Amino acid sequence: QKEVEQNSGPLSVPEGAIASLNCTYSDRVSQSFFWYRQYSGKSPELIMSIYSNGDKEDGRFTAQLNKASQYVSLLIRDSQPSDSATYLCAVNTPMGRRALTFGSGTRLQVQP
Amino acid sequence: NAGVTQTPKFQVLKTGQSMTLQCAQDMNHNSMYWYRQDPGMGLRLIYYSASEGTTDKGEVPNGYNVSRLNKREFSLRLESAAPSQTSAYFCASRETLNQPQHFGDGTRLSIL
Repeated sequence: QKEVEQNSGPLSVPEGAIASLNCTYSDRVSQSFFWYRQYSGKSPELIMSIYSNGDKEDGRFTAQLNKASQYVSLLIRDSQPSDSATYLCAVNTPMGRRALTFGSGTRLQVQP
Repeated sequence: NAGVTQTPKFQVLKTGQSMTLQCAQDMNHNSMYWYRQDPGMGLRLIYYSASEGTTDKGEVPNGYNVSRLNKREFSLRLESAAPSQTSAYFCASRETLNQPQHFGDGTRLSIL
């Protein structure tokens, strides 16, 4: 089992719709969670951090964390074609290797 | 505000050549990281440095060496380049272990 799993997609949504991106992780002691956006040929860019159970909203983005289910998600409201990118889920585990563990990413396509 | 700076941005090498990728951060971060990213593989950790003076292997260290020259700089060396090392290389840094990592723009390396 991979430490951080994401559906590779592509996830295709029409412009103006809500895009829902999901991520599961295997280590129960994970403490902090991050979503990065990566455009083709560019570097990952941090868009959301979440540390406690529940929802965290920032503009059109909402991150949701459920530690009991080991599940973190990202909702993008009013999706725009400029949101088309690969979204990487990253998990921080205090034990073991002292670096973020990344999922392989979900490619989102927003259709105009 | 430069953040994380990587040089060079692009490089083409011949098999067997050596090369050092440079990374510097101006955010006074303690930890620095080197990742490689191949199509469909996500980000894989090569080496990291949790603090100045320390370095540790990540998932895919074979064929690479690193040097944490000072708090700002963390270089990655390929002693004898192989075609399997053709990839995009990203350097990242963060202040503490519970914080997100911030990425440089990357180095696209092609080995013929």
